[in-house]
Amino acid sequence: DTGVSQDPRHKITKRGQNVTFRCDPISEHNRLYWYRQTLGQGPEFLTYFQNEAQLEKSRLLSDRFSAERPKGSFSTLEIQRTEQGDSAMYLCATGTRDLTQYFGPGTRLTVL
Amino acid sequence: TQLLEQSPQFLSIQEGENLTVYCNSSSVFSSLQWYRQEPGEGPVLLVTVVTGGEVKKLKRLTFQFGDARKDSSLHITAAQPGDTGLYLCAGALTGTASKLTFGTGTRLQVTL
Repeated sequence: DTGVSQDPRHKITKRGQNVTFRCDPISEHNRLYWYRQTLGQGPEFLTYFQNEAQLEKSRLLSDRFSAERPKGSFSTLEIQRTEQGDSAMYLCATGTRDLTQYFGPGTRLTVL
Repeated sequence: TQLLEQSPQFLSIQEGENLTVYCNSSSVFSSLQWYRQEPGEGPVLLVTVVTGGEVKKLKRLTFQFGDARKDSSLHITAAQPGDTGLYLCAGALTGTASKLTFGTGTRLQVTL
């Protein structure tokens, strides 16, 4: 257990529905990252927060994706109008200035 | 184009054998991390290396960061079934103090 928690662990949804995932970081970590991992691949960067500020977004993050970290603590990742191609493991990681990142257990999304 | 290439992609060995996994890039990384990931879980950090030429040992695992900070290796001595998993290298590119770029992964299976 790294101290990073994610909820839910699994989500099955129908195409076109909206989904929201939550990440609770290690309390003293001011950096928070979202990654997406598809089967057989390494995680791919989606977005990065330092405290409440979203400082970087990947081109993978289409207009249907939005992430927030309103108080610099927990973060949410929302996907609107889900598509089958969104099926993946969504990973949250947190860290400090030393660049080491600690990952949560992930949310497995299946879009039917 | 994958920034970090890992080899081999798959490795099946017997308990007690030694193995080495390689992580190569043409880019320079300010730090490099190795993770192990089990099915349905997030990556678990094994080590962070930051200095070119650095060698770190973690019990039967030895990690090396290349002198030019473009490559790394993970050597496991006397592999055990508990070492089975997906090994991922991930680097923070120089000048991007935010996201990790992950390698393609090496899936290791250790049998009795």
